[in-house]
Amino acid sequence: TQLLEQSPQFLSIQEGENLTVYCNSSSVFSSLQWYRQEPGEGPVLLVTVVTGGEVKKLKRLTFQFGDARKDSSLHITAAQPGDTGLYLCAGNRNYGQNFVFGPGTRLSVLP
Amino acid sequence: DSGVTQTPKHLITATGQRVTLRCSPRSGDLSVYWYQQSLDQGLQFLIQYYNGEERAKGNILERFSAQQFPDLHSELNLSSLELGDSALYFCASSVGAGGAFEQFFGPGTRLTVL
Repeated sequence: TQLLEQSPQFLSIQEGENLTVYCNSSSVFSSLQWYRQEPGEGPVLLVTVVTGGEVKKLKRLTFQFGDARKDSSLHITAAQPGDTGLYLCAGNRNYGQNFVFGPGTRLSVLP
Repeated sequence: DSGVTQTPKHLITATGQRVTLRCSPRSGDLSVYWYQQSLDQGLQFLIQYYNGEERAKGNILERFSAQQFPDLHSELNLSSLELGDSALYFCASSVGAGGAFEQFFGPGTRLTVL
């Protein structure tokens, strides 16, 4: 059983559409990160959220950390083909040394 | 470019063999992490070193070992290789050792065990 679940597993949309992907757990996290990974490359950090209820915006991307710090969402407005990739969430428990990664949502934005 | 380098980029070997993967962290980063990424298991944390010392251990098999050298580069040794060890192996580095520090990932080494 994965500590972090992500949904949907796959998502294919047209350019210009909006989308939301989710990261859920039964555990509480001290912080949560979102990464984007493109084929043949390593993950790249997009954002870190640390406070329950926190909302962070990065251009067309909006990240929210749940009030109970057990879940998070990533909303993309007006998706572009350049947003295509694997979106990973990663949670840190008890201010530990490392993060546990979810299985990812594979997003494809078609022109 | 994250500043983290990994060699080799691709590695093809046979079952039972031993391989060494190399990672050079970003300049100034003291912490190195190793991850394994496979289609069925996702990105799994293996082990972390900070300034030459092991700091945290994840799902690392006994057949695998790692070390961080005085110049801060790290090597991941995989022995008695099995088909199931085929995966992407990533190295990441960060300035500090705790979860508050951003990790920068290298491009990965793709290992294929035949």
